[in-house]
Amino acid sequence: DTEVTQTPKHLVMGMTNKKSLKCEQHMGHRAMYWYKQKAKKPPELMFVYSYEKLSINESVPSRFSPECPNSSLLNLHLHALQPEDSALYLCASSQGGKGAFDYGYTFGSGTRLTVV
Amino acid sequence: DAKTTQPNSMESNEEEPVHLPCNHSTISGTDYIHWYRQLPSQGPEYVIHGLTSNVNNRMASLAIAEDRKSSTLILHRATLRDAAVYYCILKRYNQGGKLIFGQGTELSVKP
Repeated sequence: DTEVTQTPKHLVMGMTNKKSLKCEQHMGHRAMYWYKQKAKKPPELMFVYSYEKLSINESVPSRFSPECPNSSLLNLHLHALQPEDSALYLCASSQGGKGAFDYGYTFGSGTRLTVV
Repeated sequence: DAKTTQPNSMESNEEEPVHLPCNHSTISGTDYIHWYRQLPSQGPEYVIHGLTSNVNNRMASLAIAEDRKSSTLILHRATLRDAAVYYCILKRYNQGGKLIFGQGTELSVKP
């Protein structure tokens, strides 16, 4: 299995809703990432997990809450989002540790989120 | 963050080679040069990466300048399926291996 699977593919939520995005990989990768991508813009890094621990938070608002329950699974919990949070949310994984610098990332196809 | 500079867009004809340039004058000795591409409505896809030497794989070749301040992604025979945004990225060892995307080059391929 060489894929990163993201669910759901599309999500529409109200500003008072709570929802979660899910990301799964079975490649034995120990680093996992969340990116946010607005239309016609490059992906922006949000969070990095290394060996199931949060290692980087790029000053993301607390209405986005990441979770890494195990080495294969990454969640992004959403609460009280704003319409401007509408975007494509991408998950990625890579080898962990110092060896990670000589490997590429594998990205999922993303969840297209619309906040109404 | 490490900065790369790429042309906003490029055009190519089908079955011809394509050379996508990237400048990274602030590169440090431990930075890896990564290239990804993103097709419409898909996540980015890893293309190739290198440190100092030129690299080849089934998708493309990467030519790295001797001073490492620039690199070129080479698609040997462009196909219509190669139309995408191509990102040149420096992966910094001292920033936990973060992959920070620049603006990228939008490649269009004419039949």
